[in-house]
Amino acid sequence: DGGITQSPKYLFRKEGQNVTLSCEQNLNHDAMYWYRQDPGQGLRLIYYSQIVNDFQKGDIAEGYSVSREKKESFPLTVTSAQKNPTAFYLCASSKGAGQPQHFGDGTRLSIL
Amino acid sequence: RKEVEQDPGPFNVPEGATVAFNCTYSNSASQSFFWYRQDCRKEPKLLMSVYSSGNEDGRFTAQLNRASQYISLLIRDSKLSDSATYLCVVNGGGAQKLVFGQGTRLTINP
Repeated sequence: DGGITQSPKYLFRKEGQNVTLSCEQNLNHDAMYWYRQDPGQGLRLIYYSQIVNDFQKGDIAEGYSVSREKKESFPLTVTSAQKNPTAFYLCASSKGAGQPQHFGDGTRLSIL
Repeated sequence: RKEVEQDPGPFNVPEGATVAFNCTYSNSASQSFFWYRQDCRKEPKLLMSVYSSGNEDGRFTAQLNRASQYISLLIRDSKLSDSATYLCVVNGGGAQKLVFGQGTRLTINP
């Protein structure tokens, strides 16, 4: 079955540590996205990529970094510069801009 | 003004009732519109796209009013399984991204 796989499901970060969240899709979608969701809040866009080797900052990119070396993969690194990283992180993909997005089942990140 | 605004609710309605949500958007150049549902602690899932002429999918009907810049979702004969948060989603006109509303929480009571 085609879909989006995020791992791990739960992640704990120590102070000063960088952590990387994995996102892989086998839908052959060109565009991929990372969102953050805080309890009771909407989705906020962190980074997005319309094509391999290219990505743009979203609304809350500070403290995060991404890479898009392969069409299937769009990992997100939460750096130590992100002072409030505890949230639900969602990866999505779509055929192109403005097309409906399909989501992975998310990673919950907490601070130790 | 937020790009996409929804009444956060919560809406509590009895099973079998009809319920409607509205959503307003600020960018008149927006071209793509969707409704998603999100269950508690789960990822959002596409419910339906919204087309200019309005569209229906079973018990769900979506309408678009470009002049007033709002989208609506109507759920008929509501089921317990319809309990979820409903997200209004709009593309940002020329921007290459979708903008998600905060969501409207719906609880269907037996």
